[in-house]
Amino acid sequence: DAGVTQSPTHLIKTRGQQVTLRCSPISGHKSVSWYQQVLGQGPQFIFQYYEKEERGRGNFPDRFSARQFPNYSSELNVNALLLGDSALYLCASSLGTGLTGNTIYFGEGSWLTVV
Amino acid sequence: AQKVTQAQTEISVVEKEDVTLDCVYETRDTTYYLFWYKQPPSGELVFLIRRNSFDEQNEISGRYSWNFQKSTSSFNFTITASQVVDSAVYFCALSDLAETSGSRLTFGEGTQLTVNP
Repeated sequence: DAGVTQSPTHLIKTRGQQVTLRCSPISGHKSVSWYQQVLGQGPQFIFQYYEKEERGRGNFPDRFSARQFPNYSSELNVNALLLGDSALYLCASSLGTGLTGNTIYFGEGSWLTVV
Repeated sequence: AQKVTQAQTEISVVEKEDVTLDCVYETRDTTYYLFWYKQPPSGELVFLIRRNSFDEQNEISGRYSWNFQKSTSSFNFTITASQVVDSAVYFCALSDLAETSGSRLTFGEGTQLTVNP
């Protein structure tokens, strides 16, 4: 079975632009989470979606939004890009929500550079 | 608030040496999960282990072993007879199990391990 897949793998955007990142979870997984990893730091939680509903949100501005589709894939949107948004964006999938204590698997990420 | 501390920013060893990566965590939850992930230069976070707070038994998987001590809030990771392919950034993470917030992970800052031939 395929793992978590993300696209695009690399992209360069200009300040003020908008970006959409895509993620397909492992087959059978219903929960998708997004993390931002700035160079030299650990990943920071942005969102979790489960059964198309937002189940958690990290400390990120409203410029960041996400959604989950009926096939459980997900998109992360970032508007009005800032230089500080340059980072590796990681998508993770798991079977369910936190109470089930599921293992969380990550994709290879999307490297975003804002110039 | 949850917090994970990996005090070792960088570790460099020679191949075949044993190396231990430290992880200390803070949480007010009584039930939680701890994880270790490996991140090679490609960026993907590779899952290594998940441990729940009720199980304090140490675990060994090949050259990898984990020592979970609830009394000191530590979850240390040892690689025995290190190899060059072990070179990567290693992250310790803590899972928030609250239903309202979902299964978010709180990560440490990571430890860059370099194994020299």
